[in-house]
Amino acid sequence: DAGVIQSPRHEVTEMGQEVTLRCKPISGHDYLFWYRQTMMRGLELLIYFNNNVPIDDSGMPEDRFSAKMPNASFSTLKIQPSEPRDSAVYFCASINQLGLWGRDTQYFGPGTRLTVL
Amino acid sequence: GESVGLHLPTLSVQEGDNSIINCAYSNSASDYFIWYKQESGKGPQFIIDIRSNMDKRQGQRVTVLLNKTVKHLSLQIAATQPGDSAVYFCAENNDTGFQKLVFGTGTRLLVSP
Repeated sequence: DAGVIQSPRHEVTEMGQEVTLRCKPISGHDYLFWYRQTMMRGLELLIYFNNNVPIDDSGMPEDRFSAKMPNASFSTLKIQPSEPRDSAVYFCASINQLGLWGRDTQYFGPGTRLTVL
Repeated sequence: GESVGLHLPTLSVQEGDNSIINCAYSNSASDYFIWYKQESGKGPQFIIDIRSNMDKRQGQRVTVLLNKTVKHLSLQIAATQPGDSAVYFCAENNDTGFQKLVFGTGTRLLVSP
């Protein structure tokens, strides 16, 4: 299995521009998570989906952030407009609900390093 | 000026030593705990997990200990190798949040040859 795939790996953009991050979860996994990692705040959960439906978006920082999962194999995280404080590494993770103890480990992608100038 | 970043505690050990990384968790209702390893430029990678009805669980070269009384979790790595150098995170989960993990701030492990 190729694991969780994220693109792009690096993104540099200017303040005010729209940014779209992409994620392909592991095939057969029915949960998908978006995280943000910064030195200041560590690893934070932004939103997660179950069977393509958003379950908890309480971690989404503000309306400039939106996430979609149009099908089981693809999700996007969009920032519009982007700001310098959005600079971070964004991770996508997925799991199969039917894991050991009913809660399987989350498998993380390699991340997208976003720099907003 | 420079912003103040999150200061990661660092554990420095010699190759072959045993390492112990500690974590204090916050929610007494948490019943599932995971240790992740994150190497530079990569996403977190699962190491080992444990449920709250257990005190200890062993894997290959790793052992996780759980003390629910003081809400403390530790990761022991036997015969530490340079390839173990990374940042280690504990994460907790409770039924209320189901799949929602809360991550600790992390500990950096540096292994010298």
